[in-house]
Amino acid sequence: GAVVSQHPSRVICKSGTSVKIECRSLDFQATTMFWYRQFPKQSLMLMATSNEGSKATYEQGVEKDKFLINHASLTLSTLTVTSAHPEDSSFYICSAQRSPGQFFGPGTRLTVL
Amino acid sequence: KQEVTQIPAALSVPEGENLVLNCSFTDSAIYNLQWFRQDPGKGLTSLLLIQSSQREQTSGRLNASLDKSSGRSTLYIAASQPGDSATYLCAVNGGTSYGNLTFGQGTILTVHP
Repeated sequence: GAVVSQHPSRVICKSGTSVKIECRSLDFQATTMFWYRQFPKQSLMLMATSNEGSKATYEQGVEKDKFLINHASLTLSTLTVTSAHPEDSSFYICSAQRSPGQFFGPGTRLTVL
Repeated sequence: KQEVTQIPAALSVPEGENLVLNCSFTDSAIYNLQWFRQDPGKGLTSLLLIQSSQREQTSGRLNASLDKSSGRSTLYIAASQPGDSATYLCAVNGGTSYGNLTFGQGTILTVHP
């Protein structure tokens, strides 16, 4: 149990376009999900905490208007990177809270040309 | 602010060796600590979770210990195998922010035949 999926696994887009990434908890309900960003050879940095039915909580330095998070159900959270630029290219990983720990998705590799 | 440090940054060992990965954290007020494994370009796989009230957890060839008062955790891998090659991440769940993980930079482990 405690499987988390992400879609897509890899996406390449042109600068200025928007990209949506989905995070699903497949066999459990998660009122809280988290979005992380990982640059090459670096550790994970928390971007925001997504709570079902309420607004996401963003970490300092993360632009909420650029990284739109929607947690519309207990099994789905989405991250939309709006007006993507090359510097947004990164590995985005979500996790879902299932007490007492977090379970992570396989990640999404975003490349902005 | 919680800070998590992992030593060594990289480790290369021959197959069959027992090895120890170290993790230290600055704020001992934690809820739990998790060890993860990450393969290149992939998400995180949870290996072991230790609650703040526990001193160790074991799973197969893996054993994780926690000394909360000194802010340290170790991951012991017995009889290492080439398939153990990956990045190992330590993450601390802060006591006042349930579910909010702070990650170390990771230890890159290479086990050669």
